[in-house]
Amino acid sequence: DIQMTQSPASLSASLEEIVTITCQASQDIGNWLAWYQQKPGKSPQLLIHSATSLADGIPSRFSGSRSGTQYSLKISRLQVEDTGIYYCLQRYSNPWTFGGGTKLELK
Amino acid sequence: EVQLVESGGGLVQPGRSLKLSCAASGFTFSNYGMHWIRQAPTKGLEWVASISPSGGSTYYRDSVKGRFTISRDNAKSTLYLQMDSLRSEDTATYYCAKRFAYWGQGTLVTVSS
Repeated sequence: DIQMTQSPASLSASLEEIVTITCQASQDIGNWLAWYQQKPGKSPQLLIHSATSLADGIPSRFSGSRSGTQYSLKISRLQVEDTGIYYCLQRYSNPWTFGGGTKLELK
Repeated sequence: EVQLVESGGGLVQPGRSLKLSCAASGFTFSNYGMHWIRQAPTKGLEWVASISPSGGSTYYRDSVKGRFTISRDNAKSTLYLQMDSLRSEDTATYYCAKRFAYWGQGTLVTVSS
């Protein structure tokens, strides 16, 4: 199975700060990587698909990048509504696997 | 607008069965693979099962193989998850998803005596 190691597990940042979350894949998954945001009591919302493509309706302050088997989600200017838990998902091979999550809070 | 509405969750004793449903609308259901993903209380996300557009191919995580069955009725635009021999570790909110892009609101399954 492909392991997705996500870091950090938690993060506290200030408004307007730049935030970066990473996922390290245990093997090559190409661009088959998605990022999600989950708010308390809600279902996950797709932010980024295909490693770097912004999902419909997602603000442009969110971006995704890839360097080899390391994937990053960047929030360029943190807003209040960006708090929540972020997950990555590899869609390269079955079983599809999620990262452990990053809890993002405002400082 | 894509809508996915799960139902069928509840409290069930260990070893018993439960069948979840996911009613889909806003897209041509028969054209898309569908997935079930679960989330145990205060835990992360875990893929459970997937099914091809025709229903001819199904995929399961190892821990549910032989106990869970994913199926679909394209005429009714509905996805199902039959869960047998339930265990306490199956306690979770179960989400259905279209191509992992659109998710329902989830239905809570609690396995406890």
